[in-house]
Amino acid sequence: SQKIEQNSEALNIQEGKTATLTCNYTNYSPAYLQWYRQDPGRGPVFLLLIRENEKEKRKERLKVTFDTTLKQSLFHITASQPADSATYLCALSGAGNMLTFGGGTRLMVKP
Amino acid sequence: GAVVSQHPSRVICKSGTSVKIECRSLDFQATTMFWYRQFPKKSLMLMATSNEGSKATYEQGVEKDKFLINHASLTLSTLTVTSAHPEDSSFYICSARDSSGGVAGELFFGEGSRLTVL
Repeated sequence: SQKIEQNSEALNIQEGKTATLTCNYTNYSPAYLQWYRQDPGRGPVFLLLIRENEKEKRKERLKVTFDTTLKQSLFHITASQPADSATYLCALSGAGNMLTFGGGTRLMVKP
Repeated sequence: GAVVSQHPSRVICKSGTSVKIECRSLDFQATTMFWYRQFPKKSLMLMATSNEGSKATYEQGVEKDKFLINHASLTLSTLTVTSAHPEDSSFYICSARDSSGGVAGELFFGEGSRLTVL
């Protein structure tokens, strides 16, 4: 069966460090993958898109990698700040360009 | 950037009543909108795809007579939870893609609607 796995346990890191979040998937062949940020009680907000033929994508302090062999995407936030604390969701494209979301990982950045 | 407005943000209703939630794309046209349901600390669960001018496509296990979807224009989709019961209490979120943005475009999400059925 198809699965998208993100670490359900919260990731706690110190301000200034790099946060790395993982998204693993099975039985998918996504043409692209997206990462979203969701704050409590709010709708998700798009952060980055990476296509299957791209290894890495950067946007300011954010970096995403996409390894179609390992079936894994890594999401990095460098020089993390308390304001980066949120839940981060990965989403994979599927048939008809529908997006399926992972369960999300909650990031807590402590000052 | 593109904005999707969802209303109401919170609604409390009595069991047996119906509740309508609106989703509007404010500065772009959306031929397709998506409705999700999210339980606490859980992922977004796609309920249905709302298609402008035609019937919605429901995901397996979602009762179409329970969750009525209408996509009357290129900027408005509504979700009506009919005869709501406490187990329908949840966070409902809509999203849309800009029709001009290409198939891989980002989804723009509304702010969500917290439904509590007493």
